[in-house]
Amino acid sequence: DTAVSQTPKYLVTQMGNDKSIKCEQNLGHDTMYWYKQDSKKFLKIMFSYNNKELIINETVPNRFSPKSPDKAHLNLHINSLELGDSAVYFCASSQEGRSSYNEQFFGPGTRLTVL
Amino acid sequence: GQNIDQPTEMTATEGAIVQINCTYQTSGFNGLFWYQQHAGEAPTFLSYNVLDGLEEKGRFSSFLSRSKGYSYLLLKELQMKDSASYLCAVRGFSGGYNKLIFGAGTRLAVHP
Repeated sequence: DTAVSQTPKYLVTQMGNDKSIKCEQNLGHDTMYWYKQDSKKFLKIMFSYNNKELIINETVPNRFSPKSPDKAHLNLHINSLELGDSAVYFCASSQEGRSSYNEQFFGPGTRLTVL
Repeated sequence: GQNIDQPTEMTATEGAIVQINCTYQTSGFNGLFWYQQHAGEAPTFLSYNVLDGLEEKGRFSSFLSRSKGYSYLLLKELQMKDSASYLCAVRGFSGGYNKLIFGAGTRLAVHP
C-alpha cells in the first residue's frame, strides 16, 4: 500500500564504510528524487531521475552515486562515509506534466548516523 | 541566486488562527508549495499556488503574490495535531526540468 518506501529506516555505520539506501514507488510516477535533510532541517535536492535518466545533479560529492534500474526504483550508494553525511535522506517521486500540481510524494526517510 | 525566507518558530493557541509567511527570490518561477512535516516523519503536501490569489482547502489556505515574491499559509481553528514544521518550497526550472527549492521551515507549536 505504501506509495513511496525506503529501506532501511535507520542506518548506523562507521566512518569510511560504504552503504546503500533503496527507494521504490508504486505510484506510476516517472520522476524520482533524493533529498538530504540536515540537523538544521534544511531539505535540499541532491539528484533527480526522469524515466531512468539523470536530470538533476546538484553539487554533491562524487562519493554519492545514484542508480535507477527502472522508473519505479532509485537507489543511493555512498562510498567512504564521513561524519558530515549524517542526516535524514528522503526519496520522493512525482509525475511531471500530468497535472499542474506535480506535487512530490515523499518516502519515510532514512536516518543515517556516521560514527 | 535563490533564497526562501520564513520564520523559524511560531507559537499559537488551540482554536486560534495563525499565518506563516514566506518570501522568495528565485530564478524562474513555476509554482509555490506548502508542505507539512511532523517530527521524524516525511513532508506531506498541503497546497499549491501558481497564480496570484488565495487557494482554500478546508482549515488551510495559501496565498501568493508573484510580484512581491510573497506567500502565506493560513491555518484556522488550530488543533494540537497541527504542531509541526511547515515548509515553503518554490518550483523553478533547472536545465529544462522542474526543481523544488525548500525554505528552512517554520516550526509551529500549538498549545492548549
